[in-house]
Amino acid sequence: SAVISQKPSRDICQRGTSLTIQCQVDSQVTMMFWYRQQPGQSLTLIATANQGSEATYESGFVIDKFPISRPNLTFSTLTVSNMSPEDSSIYLCSVEPRLADNEQFFGPGTRLTVL
Amino acid sequence: DAKTTQPTSMDCAEGRAANLPCNHSTISGNEYVYWYRQIHSQGPQYIIHGLKNNETNEMASLIITEDRKSSTLILPHATLRDTAVYYCIVRVLNYGGATNKLIFGTGTLLAVQP
Repeated sequence: SAVISQKPSRDICQRGTSLTIQCQVDSQVTMMFWYRQQPGQSLTLIATANQGSEATYESGFVIDKFPISRPNLTFSTLTVSNMSPEDSSIYLCSVEPRLADNEQFFGPGTRLTVL
Repeated sequence: DAKTTQPTSMDCAEGRAANLPCNHSTISGNEYVYWYRQIHSQGPQYIIHGLKNNETNEMASLIITEDRKSSTLILPHATLRDTAVYYCIVRVLNYGGATNKLIFGTGTLLAVQP
């Protein structure tokens, strides 16, 4: 298993600003994922972040808006840039501890409100 | 795009079995059926997965039809704490690949009633 923490747990931000969300795992993991969950909606994958390579973004998400860092095997950040109210969501990271694992583990999420 | 279809919501009486259906008629031969659930204000939690055989663990049972086009997640004795959104996901279990992503559909909101 893996224990994941995210910081901040929630934040209220002004439009036009940026917020960096941190994801810390208690063990080394190869694959890390970032999701967005808009109010009342399901989860949407933003990108896959592997250590030592550029993040792979899903359709509709771009690096300029959601830059991701993955400096080591236990940590990643997601930045939400130039925010607008439409970015108000819960942002979650998840990990797959082993390449042939059965399951992904999710963090508790970061609840972002943009005014 | 999600490859599964689930009812939007279901009710279940506490202590009874909850049977959550999922249709995945376009499933490929190398795709597994996964179930996750999301309790309110928490991240999703893995429940169970299977390829073609029925599976059981401490949380639930997974029944996959012989043609693999549909499956049912069974919570044998539902409790109030099982109230959550349940997601059925089909996924290739890619050993060492970069495509181990989970694509979530809309899920089923299971409400366990006292």
